[in-house]
Amino acid sequence: DAEITQSPRHKITETGRQVTLACHQTWNHNNMFWYRQDLGHGLRLIHYSYGVQDTNKGEVSDGYSVSRSNTEDLPLTLESAASSQTSVYFCASSMGQESYEQYFGPGTRLTVT
Amino acid sequence: AQKITQTQPGMFVQEKEAVTLDCTYDTSDPSYGLFWYKQPSSGEMIFLIYQGSYDQQNATEGRYSLNFQKARKSANLVISASQLGDSAMYFCAMRGSSGTYKYIFGTGTRLKVLA
Repeated sequence: DAEITQSPRHKITETGRQVTLACHQTWNHNNMFWYRQDLGHGLRLIHYSYGVQDTNKGEVSDGYSVSRSNTEDLPLTLESAASSQTSVYFCASSMGQESYEQYFGPGTRLTVT
Repeated sequence: AQKITQTQPGMFVQEKEAVTLDCTYDTSDPSYGLFWYKQPSSGEMIFLIYQGSYDQQNATEGRYSLNFQKARKSANLVISASQLGDSAMYFCAMRGSSGTYKYIFGTGTRLKVLA
């Protein structure tokens, strides 16, 4: 069965370190998204991609970067982790149809100490 | 700017009764889509229902229905015959104008079903 996976599921890191969160989908979806979830804020969009070599900034992109070298993967990198980036991170993907829902990964809980 | 508002941080409902979760939105785009997701305590995001802005009828999926009132810019989720397993966080989301597939999410409503 097709799926979307994230790794690691839990990560503790120190302030200032570079961290990369992996996202891999086997749906063959063109669209991929990264969100962070914080209490009182719902899910906020960090970065998104509509295809290979395409990346775009979302509403909370500062301190994050992504790259899309193939259809299946959209890794999220925190260049220099900050305590404010402690959050739960969700990756999602969708087909290129407006009525189609996004499929979400299981999430990664990141703690920056 | 687009915005989704969920004004109920938490709600209780008795098992087997119906419950309505409110969602209002703001957009100037003529074409948009509205989605509801469920997030149980285990954390995964589960798609429930979709309503397109041009759909004439309200969407239904099993015990879930979407009460879409375009003039009022509301897209309330109705859960009929609540079950204990419905206890979860519920998020309303909106996709923007044609050609964009990204969502804007509301802050969510936590529903607790009482036995």
